Amino acid sequence: NAGVTQTPKFRILKIGQSMTLQCTQDMNHNYMYWYRQDPGMGLKLIYYSVGAGITDKGEVPNGYNVSRSTTEDFPLRLELAAPSQTSVYFCASSQWDEQYFGPGTRLTVT
Amino acid sequence: GQQLNQSPQSMFIQEGEDVSMNCTSSSIFNTWLWYKQDPGEGPVLLIALYKAGELTSNGRLTAQFGITRKDSFLNISASIPSDVGIYFCAGQLRTGANNLFFGTGTRLTVIP
Repeated sequence: NAGVTQTPKFRILKIGQSMTLQCTQDMNHNYMYWYRQDPGMGLKLIYYSVGAGITDKGEVPNGYNVSRSTTEDFPLRLELAAPSQTSVYFCASSQWDEQYFGPGTRLTVT
Repeated sequence: GQQLNQSPQSMFIQEGEDVSMNCTSSSIFNTWLWYKQDPGEGPVLLIALYKAGELTSNGRLTAQFGITRKDSFLNISASIPSDVGIYFCAGQLRTGANNLFFGTGTRLTVIP
């Protein structure tokens, strides 16, 4: 099992550009999550999904969108990138309470 | 979101020493999780705790679910250089996808 995989590993965006961060899990987990991690901070939940076709907002959803068309994939879309979205983004999945994380995407918006 | 206070924020220890860190909250949690994050990597689950008072070990790591359900502790015995990293606690308020909250982490440095 690869677990949770994320692409790309790094990305630099100009202000106003858009992009999609990809996340795939092969553990057949129902729940998937997107977090952002800012320097010296814990993880903040952006969006989550309890199953294919069902998504909901987390603590910091503004400026982001998600979709969940399959159990395996949970892409995160950034529209009109802003410097405040410079962060490290982690995707995670779980069946119950124990969440398993991907390696992260480091995004810089300049 | 819920506030989890993790302490200490950072630790510098000699190789071979034992380490203790803790996480406290004003809320009662059903589950406590401890993660380790290496530089440039995602958090890796170390230990999961599901019952008040529970003491669980994973090799040199031991974690406890506090009796009040508002705190948890992680101990590392006989530290080695590869223990370096950031340790995060996470508390699950109740069953459901939007109820896991993370502490701000303890950065551990092990001096050989």
